Amino acid sequence: GAGVSQTPSNKVTEKGKYVELRCDPISGHTALYWYRQSLGQGPEFLIYFQGTGAADDSGLPNDRFFAVRPEGSVSTLKIQRTERGDSAVYLCASSATGGGSGANVLTFGAGSRLTVL
Amino acid sequence: GQSLEQPSEVTAVEGAIVQINCTYQTSGFYGLSWYQQHDGGAPTFLSYNALDGLEETGRFSSFLSRSDSYGYLLLQELQMKDSASYFCAHSGNTGKLIFGQGTTLQVKP
Repeated sequence: GAGVSQTPSNKVTEKGKYVELRCDPISGHTALYWYRQSLGQGPEFLIYFQGTGAADDSGLPNDRFFAVRPEGSVSTLKIQRTERGDSAVYLCASSATGGGSGANVLTFGAGSRLTVL
Repeated sequence: GQSLEQPSEVTAVEGAIVQINCTYQTSGFYGLSWYQQHDGGAPTFLSYNALDGLEETGRFSSFLSRSDSYGYLLLQELQMKDSASYFCAHSGNTGKLIFGQGTTLQVKP
């Protein structure tokens, strides 16, 4: 598509529930990134895909968080047993090539705002 | 490790020039990027310096000194619409872009 698309734009859930957030990157972009942003903070890196594989998942906070990109395009971020501290805006971004220099020029989606009650 | 430091807030008047500084620590370096984010919006790419020196894009310029681990974003002829948060970021040698905490720029009439 023309831009990075994220759904849902807003998600309200209860503590302990399971949540899936979807990202549709720019067509042809091989690298896809997930970030989390809390109010007044910079985007916090979660995971980075190069093609179908997770090249770096060092930012995932714990094993409740998981992400997939099975066909090298759309990605889903999955959060199990949600906690109130998971409330944030989850941002997805893509870049044409990824890697050291390619990672500097990202196109972000509008984000999915997650609220855990 | 990787970290970036930038001022938390800057205030300037319409028509003025403002400079937002960024210092960084990284293992491996592929350049310094700048992103703009309006309230409730997504970060949008502004500029990328892979080499030392000044890059100019319209009213915005970005500078990098790798020997000093330092860069800045220069905004000229400030407009009210420039009020936003500005983030410096770098990727190091890991392929993941790490962001600073952001500088909130308030432009006053």
